[in-house]
Amino acid sequence: GQQLNQSPQSMFIQEGEDVSMNCTSSSIFNTWLWYKQDPGEGPVLLIALYKAGELTSNGRLTAQFGITRKDSFLNISASIPSDVGIYFCAGSGNQFYFGTGTSLTVIP
Amino acid sequence: NAGVTQTPKFQVLKTGQSMTLQCAQDMNHEYMSWYRQDPGMGLRLIHYSVGAGITDQGEVPNGYNVSRSTTEDFPLRLLSAAPSQTSVYFCASRRRGGSYNEQFFGPGTRLTVL
Repeated sequence: GQQLNQSPQSMFIQEGEDVSMNCTSSSIFNTWLWYKQDPGEGPVLLIALYKAGELTSNGRLTAQFGITRKDSFLNISASIPSDVGIYFCAGSGNQFYFGTGTSLTVIP
Repeated sequence: NAGVTQTPKFQVLKTGQSMTLQCAQDMNHEYMSWYRQDPGMGLRLIHYSVGAGITDQGEVPNGYNVSRSTTEDFPLRLLSAAPSQTSVYFCASRRRGGSYNEQFFGPGTRLTVL
């Protein structure tokens, strides 16, 4: 099955820094979703995007639906220790396809 | 709303044993899915259902059965557990159709097969 290319695989940043991650696909999607997964928990939906070019914010998180509909970006501003976790992208047409995740570590 | 709930949270089986992973949702979602999550592999679709009485195979269906007798419940059965089925299993649900395509996940079941 298709998997999305998500990068970077891991990030180690200082508290207060901004974070950027992205997801690319060879296929066009109608919806892009970003999830966060804490250790031992299920993925929690952070942001959903429905239109090419759409830019949506949720607190310190901002995500964009790429113009080509084949990519999406997630930015986290002014990171804090509780941002630690694994961030997944998901693209959806008829089925959902997932990236392999970006592991974020925030150093106080 | 409780959202998507899964039981048990942890399970250890011996090779050849069978068991059922339970999943329920209270959001009246038509679509329900089972995924497994393995290190470096991301989430892979096992089986899914578009409504009560309708199920279909995903990417990795072998060794698993599902049924959907009600909108709320979508159990996953392991018929004869194998070590390769050691994984974290997530159930998910979403609405069918419409403009919004948001999928919600349960907390997961961590399964070890010895």
